[in-house]
Amino acid sequence: EAQVTQNPRYLITVTGKKLTVTCSQNMNHEYMSWYRQDPGLGLRQIYYSMNVEVTDKGDVPEGYKVSRKEKRNFPLILESPSPNQTSLYFCASSLNGLHQPQHFGDGTRLSIL
Amino acid sequence: AQKVTQAQTEISVVEKEDVTLDCVYETRDTTYYLFWYKQPPSGELVFLIRRNSFDEQNEISGRYSWNFQKSTSSFNFTITASQVVDSAVYFCALSEGGSQGNLIFGKGTKLSVKP
Repeated sequence: EAQVTQNPRYLITVTGKKLTVTCSQNMNHEYMSWYRQDPGLGLRQIYYSMNVEVTDKGDVPEGYKVSRKEKRNFPLILESPSPNQTSLYFCASSLNGLHQPQHFGDGTRLSIL
Repeated sequence: AQKVTQAQTEISVVEKEDVTLDCVYETRDTTYYLFWYKQPPSGELVFLIRRNSFDEQNEISGRYSWNFQKSTSSFNFTITASQVVDSAVYFCALSEGGSQGNLIFGKGTKLSVKP
């Protein structure tokens, strides 16, 4: 089954404790991206990747890092999480860009205390 | 700059009513793509439709229809004979042609369909 898999689905942690949210897709997609969803703000892009070893900032990259060492994986790293990063996070992928429909993971709800 | 406006924050209808969700966009590009996504209460995001800027044909898919009008920069979504299962948050989104990293979402419209 074609899918984008995120882990964990839920996480409660404390300020400053490094965490990684994993994202993996099995569709051989070149384009992957991360979004955060906050009430009243819709979805905002954090980082994106056009292909392996190619990543770039989206609209709200501060406090986040990403890597794309393999085509299928695109982890989101919070080196020193803060409460304002409490949010619902989505990973997405598409064949090769934003002109195509994005396939979204089921989301990861992060709470930073 | 790109912008997507969904002026209706919440809409509540009774089952079998027709409902239209509005989407107005801003872009300076002549080539762009418009999307609608559905987010049911379970939380996942489901792709509904894509339109490119050169195709102004309206589209119908079952009870769903979309009206794309470049003259008013609008891409409205109508659900005919709404059902309880249509209850969800609906997002309109815009990406510009050639853009690699800018998919702009509206803030969403929460639709509640009551039995």
